Amino acid sequence: QKEVEQDPGPLSVPEGAIVSLNCTYSNSAFQYFMWYRQYSRKGPELLMYTYSSGNKEDGRFTAQVDKSSKYISLFIRDSQPSDSATYLCAMSEGNYQLIWGAGTKLIIKP
Amino acid sequence: NAGVMQNPRHLVRRRGQEARLRCSPMKGHSHVYWYRQLPEEGLKFMVYLQKENIIDESGMPKERFSAEFPKEGPSILRIQQVVRGDSAAYFCASSPAPSLNTEAFFGQGTRLTVV
Repeated sequence: QKEVEQDPGPLSVPEGAIVSLNCTYSNSAFQYFMWYRQYSRKGPELLMYTYSSGNKEDGRFTAQVDKSSKYISLFIRDSQPSDSATYLCAMSEGNYQLIWGAGTKLIIKP
Repeated sequence: NAGVMQNPRHLVRRRGQEARLRCSPMKGHSHVYWYRQLPEEGLKFMVYLQKENIIDESGMPKERFSAEFPKEGPSILRIQQVVRGDSAAYFCASSPAPSLNTEAFFGQGTRLTVV
């Protein structure tokens, strides 16, 4: 069993829809939870990070962490074609050794 | 600020040759991390370096792989006697402090193909 599980997709939704992306994990010591966006042939770009449990909102993006269920989510409101990318979750116990999900490929149809 | 610069973007090597991947961190960043990404997989930590020091190389294969971050110049990831299984995208990241949790910047990656 992988330490971090993420559905690879692809997830295809129409423009304007609310998108929900998720990861589950097994290591209860994880404290930092990150979401990265990766466009094709590009490096990962940090979208949001959350420390411990709770919600964090930034514009159209909301990150949620439920440590009791070992489950994290990223919601994208009013999705745009430019949001089409692969979204990777990453976690750490508090250092530089990030443990990554495999990424979910998201396609927003105009 | 030019961001994290990696070169080359694409590298083709024959089996048995050496591959050298370069990473110039963002200005003011003295912490560099190398990650490897295989197709359809997440990134895997390889090595963490500060200027002239290897801090953690626990994710790097013991043989054929080495990394350095000299006082002057970019960080180098070196793979000797490459094999087909080394084909992957190699990303480096830099940060101003020893943590990638909150302020992390990745380069565009070097895509290594071994033929």
